[in-house]
Amino acid sequence: DTGVSQDPRHKITKRGQNVTFRCDPISEHNRLYWYRQTLGQGPEFLTYFQNEAQLEKSRLLSDRFSAERPKGSFSTLEIQRTEQGDSAMYLCASSRGGQETQYFGPGTRLLVL
Amino acid sequence: RKEVEQDPGPFNVPEGATVAFNCTYSNSASQSFFWYRQDCRKEPKLLMSVYSSGNEDGRFTAQLNRASQYISLLIRDSKLSDSATYLCVVNMGWLTGGGNKLTFGTGTQLKVEL
Repeated sequence: DTGVSQDPRHKITKRGQNVTFRCDPISEHNRLYWYRQTLGQGPEFLTYFQNEAQLEKSRLLSDRFSAERPKGSFSTLEIQRTEQGDSAMYLCASSRGGQETQYFGPGTRLLVL
Repeated sequence: RKEVEQDPGPFNVPEGATVAFNCTYSNSASQSFFWYRQDCRKEPKLLMSVYSSGNEDGRFTAQLNRASQYISLLIRDSKLSDSATYLCVVNMGWLTGGGNKLTFGTGTQLKVEL
Protein backbone atom coordinates (compact mmCIF):
# COMPACT_ATOMS: atom_id res chain seq x y z
CA ASP A 1 0.00 0.00 0.00
CA THR A 2 1.86 3.03 -1.25
CA GLY A 3 1.23 6.28 0.53
CA VAL A 4 0.20 9.69 -0.70
CA SER A 5 2.77 11.15 -3.06
CA GLN A 6 3.32 14.77 -4.04
CA ASP A 7 5.36 16.36 -6.76
CA PRO A 8 7.50 18.38 -6.74
CA ARG A 9 8.85 18.20 -3.22
CA HIS A 10 10.38 21.65 -3.46
CA LYS A 11 9.66 24.61 -5.71
CA ILE A 12 11.39 27.98 -5.87
CA THR A 13 9.76 30.57 -8.06
CA LYS A 14 9.79 34.28 -8.65
CA ARG A 15 6.89 36.47 -7.64
CA GLY A 16 4.30 36.67 -10.37
CA GLN A 17 4.97 33.24 -11.82
CA ASN A 18 2.42 30.42 -11.91
CA VAL A 19 3.09 27.11 -10.20
CA THR A 20 1.30 23.77 -10.24
CA PHE A 21 1.57 20.96 -7.72
CA ARG A 22 0.41 17.39 -8.09
CA CYS A 23 -0.94 14.95 -5.52
CA ASP A 24 -1.50 11.23 -5.98
CA PRO A 25 -3.66 9.83 -3.19
CA ILE A 26 -3.62 6.32 -1.81
CA SER A 27 -5.35 4.13 -4.36
CA GLU A 28 -9.06 3.62 -3.69
CA HIS A 29 -9.20 6.67 -1.43
CA ASN A 30 -12.04 8.70 -2.86
CA ARG A 31 -11.48 11.77 -0.69
CA LEU A 32 -8.61 14.17 -1.24
CA TYR A 33 -7.71 17.28 0.73
CA TRP A 34 -5.29 20.17 0.31
CA TYR A 35 -3.83 21.99 3.30
CA ARG A 36 -1.27 24.77 3.66
CA GLN A 37 1.22 25.06 6.50
CA THR A 38 3.36 28.07 7.31
CA LEU A 39 6.23 28.15 9.76
CA GLY A 40 5.16 27.75 13.36
CA GLN A 41 1.55 27.02 12.49
CA GLY A 42 -0.53 23.91 12.08
CA PRO A 43 -1.84 22.97 8.65
CA GLU A 44 -4.84 24.97 7.43
CA PHE A 45 -7.55 23.49 5.25
CA LEU A 46 -7.74 24.76 1.67
CA THR A 47 -10.09 22.50 -0.26
CA TYR A 48 -11.59 19.04 -0.46
CA PHE A 49 -12.68 16.60 -3.19
CA GLN A 50 -14.90 13.60 -3.08
CA ASN A 51 -14.11 11.73 -6.26
CA GLU A 52 -13.93 14.44 -8.92
CA ALA A 53 -16.27 16.86 -7.18
CA GLN A 54 -14.80 19.79 -5.28
CA LEU A 55 -17.14 19.97 -2.31
CA GLU A 56 -15.63 22.65 -0.12
CA LYS A 57 -13.22 25.56 -0.44
CA SER A 58 -11.74 27.63 2.35
CA ARG A 59 -11.85 31.40 2.23
CA LEU A 60 -8.04 31.09 2.26
CA LEU A 61 -8.31 29.87 -1.32
CA SER A 62 -8.24 33.17 -3.19
CA ASP A 63 -9.13 33.44 -6.87
CA ARG A 64 -5.45 32.95 -7.69
CA PHE A 65 -5.74 29.37 -6.45
CA SER A 66 -7.45 26.60 -8.35
CA ALA A 67 -7.60 22.89 -7.69
CA GLU A 68 -8.81 20.06 -9.86
CA ARG A 69 -9.29 16.35 -9.66
CA PRO A 70 -10.51 15.58 -13.17
CA LYS A 71 -10.75 11.80 -13.03
CA GLY A 72 -11.22 11.35 -9.34
CA SER A 73 -7.67 10.10 -8.90
CA PHE A 74 -4.75 12.56 -8.79
CA SER A 75 -5.27 16.24 -8.07
CA THR A 76 -3.49 19.43 -9.06
CA LEU A 77 -3.26 22.71 -7.19
CA GLU A 78 -2.33 25.74 -9.25
CA ILE A 79 -1.32 29.13 -7.90
CA GLN A 80 -1.35 31.98 -10.39
CA ARG A 81 0.64 35.18 -10.04
CA THR A 82 2.43 33.92 -6.94
CA GLU A 83 3.10 36.30 -4.07
CA GLN A 84 5.69 36.06 -1.31
CA GLY A 85 2.91 35.32 1.13
CA ASP A 86 2.21 32.09 -0.76
CA SER A 87 5.49 30.65 0.54
CA ALA A 88 4.48 27.64 2.61
CA MET A 89 4.32 23.87 2.61
CA TYR A 90 1.36 22.55 0.65
CA LEU A 91 0.13 19.25 2.01
CA CYS A 92 -2.18 16.78 0.37
CA ALA A 93 -4.10 14.13 2.29
CA SER A 94 -6.48 11.36 1.35
CA SER A 95 -9.01 9.21 3.10
CA ARG A 96 -11.38 6.39 2.31
CA GLY A 97 -15.08 7.19 2.28
CA GLY A 98 -16.68 6.51 5.64
CA GLN A 99 -13.38 6.65 7.49
CA GLU A 100 -12.11 9.70 9.31
CA THR A 101 -8.38 9.10 9.23
CA GLN A 102 -6.56 11.26 6.73
CA TYR A 103 -3.13 10.23 5.49
CA PHE A 104 -0.77 12.99 4.48
CA GLY A 105 1.75 13.18 1.67
CA PRO A 106 5.28 14.56 2.18
CA GLY A 107 4.23 18.02 1.03
CA THR A 108 5.49 20.48 -1.56
CA ARG A 109 7.57 23.25 -0.07
CA LEU A 110 7.10 26.48 -2.03
CA LEU A 111 9.38 29.50 -1.79
CA VAL A 112 8.38 32.64 -3.65
CA LEU A 113 11.22 35.10 -4.10
CA ARG B 1 -10.45 32.87 19.60
CA LYS B 2 -8.68 30.11 17.70
CA GLU B 3 -10.71 26.99 16.99
CA VAL B 4 -8.03 24.76 18.49
CA GLU B 5 -5.56 26.10 21.04
CA GLN B 6 -2.36 24.54 22.26
CA ASP B 7 0.63 25.70 24.26
CA PRO B 8 3.38 25.93 21.62
CA GLY B 9 6.13 25.00 24.08
CA PRO B 10 8.87 23.99 23.69
CA PHE B 11 8.72 21.40 26.41
CA ASN B 12 12.27 20.29 27.24
CA VAL B 13 12.23 17.11 29.29
CA PRO B 14 14.83 14.52 30.30
CA GLU B 15 14.66 11.05 28.89
CA GLY B 16 12.34 8.90 30.98
CA ALA B 17 10.14 11.77 32.09
CA THR B 18 6.38 11.90 31.84
CA VAL B 19 4.99 14.86 29.92
CA ALA B 20 1.44 16.02 29.33
CA PHE B 21 0.05 18.21 26.57
CA ASN B 22 -3.30 19.93 26.66
CA CYS B 23 -5.54 21.35 24.01
CA THR B 24 -8.87 23.15 23.98
CA TYR B 25 -11.34 23.50 21.13
CA SER B 26 -14.01 26.11 20.65
CA ASN B 27 -16.75 24.36 18.68
CA SER B 28 -18.87 22.14 20.88
CA ALA B 29 -20.26 20.44 17.77
CA SER B 30 -16.86 18.94 16.97
CA GLN B 31 -17.20 15.22 16.47
CA SER B 32 -13.83 13.54 16.34
CA PHE B 33 -10.44 14.26 17.76
CA PHE B 34 -6.90 13.23 17.07
CA TRP B 35 -3.28 13.74 17.97
CA TYR B 36 -0.88 13.92 15.05
CA ARG B 37 2.89 13.92 15.32
CA GLN B 38 5.03 16.04 13.00
CA ASP B 39 8.79 15.75 12.73
CA CYS B 40 10.80 18.71 11.51
CA ARG B 41 10.11 19.43 7.83
CA LYS B 42 8.00 16.29 7.48
CA GLU B 43 4.29 15.64 7.05
CA PRO B 44 1.92 15.12 9.99
CA LYS B 45 1.33 11.49 10.91
CA LEU B 46 -1.56 10.16 12.93
CA LEU B 47 -0.47 9.29 16.45
CA MET B 48 -3.84 8.32 17.87
CA SER B 49 -7.52 9.06 17.88
CA VAL B 50 -9.04 10.43 21.08
CA TYR B 51 -12.20 9.11 22.70
CA SER B 52 -14.22 10.19 25.72
CA SER B 53 -13.48 6.88 27.38
CA GLY B 54 -9.77 7.54 27.03
CA ASN B 55 -7.44 5.40 25.04
CA GLU B 56 -3.94 4.12 25.48
CA ASP B 57 -1.33 2.99 23.00
CA GLY B 58 1.83 1.84 24.72
CA ARG B 59 3.41 4.85 26.43
CA PHE B 60 0.79 7.23 25.03
CA THR B 61 -2.56 7.99 26.64
CA ALA B 62 -5.15 10.35 25.18
CA GLN B 63 -8.24 11.72 26.89
CA LEU B 64 -11.21 13.78 25.78
CA ASN B 65 -13.44 15.86 28.05
CA ARG B 66 -16.40 17.02 25.97
CA ALA B 67 -17.94 19.06 28.76
CA SER B 68 -14.79 21.16 29.10
CA GLN B 69 -13.89 20.92 25.39
CA TYR B 70 -10.46 19.73 26.41
CA ILE B 71 -8.12 17.11 24.96
CA SER B 72 -4.96 15.76 26.54
CA LEU B 73 -2.01 13.60 25.59
CA LEU B 74 0.23 11.94 28.15
CA ILE B 75 3.60 10.47 27.21
CA ARG B 76 5.24 8.23 29.77
CA ASP B 77 8.91 7.21 29.85
CA SER B 78 9.89 9.73 27.17
CA LYS B 79 12.40 8.62 24.54
CA LEU B 80 14.74 10.76 22.50
CA SER B 81 12.75 9.64 19.45
CA ASP B 82 9.61 11.26 20.88
CA SER B 83 11.09 14.69 20.08
CA ALA B 84 8.67 16.22 17.60
CA THR B 85 5.74 18.61 17.36
CA TYR B 86 2.42 17.23 18.57
CA LEU B 87 -0.62 18.59 16.79
CA CYS B 88 -4.06 18.58 18.37
CA VAL B 89 -6.66 18.03 15.65
CA VAL B 90 -10.42 18.37 15.56
CA ASN B 91 -12.91 17.23 12.91
CA MET B 92 -16.36 18.78 12.91
CA GLY B 93 -17.70 15.99 10.77
CA TRP B 94 -20.51 15.95 8.27
CA LEU B 95 -23.53 16.58 10.47
CA THR B 96 -22.56 20.16 11.20
CA GLY B 97 -21.76 20.96 7.59
CA GLY B 98 -18.06 21.02 8.31
CA GLY B 99 -17.27 18.38 5.74
CA ASN B 100 -14.46 16.14 6.75
CA LYS B 101 -11.80 18.82 7.06
CA LEU B 102 -9.37 18.74 9.92
CA THR B 103 -8.71 21.79 12.08
CA PHE B 104 -5.24 21.81 13.60
CA GLY B 105 -3.78 23.54 16.58
CA THR B 106 -0.44 25.27 16.18
CA GLY B 107 1.32 22.28 17.72
CA THR B 108 3.33 21.73 20.89
CA GLN B 109 7.04 21.17 20.46
CA LEU B 110 8.63 18.45 22.58
CA LYS B 111 12.38 18.06 23.03
CA VAL B 112 13.54 15.02 24.94
CA GLU B 113 17.10 15.34 26.18
CA LEU B 114 19.70 12.98 27.61
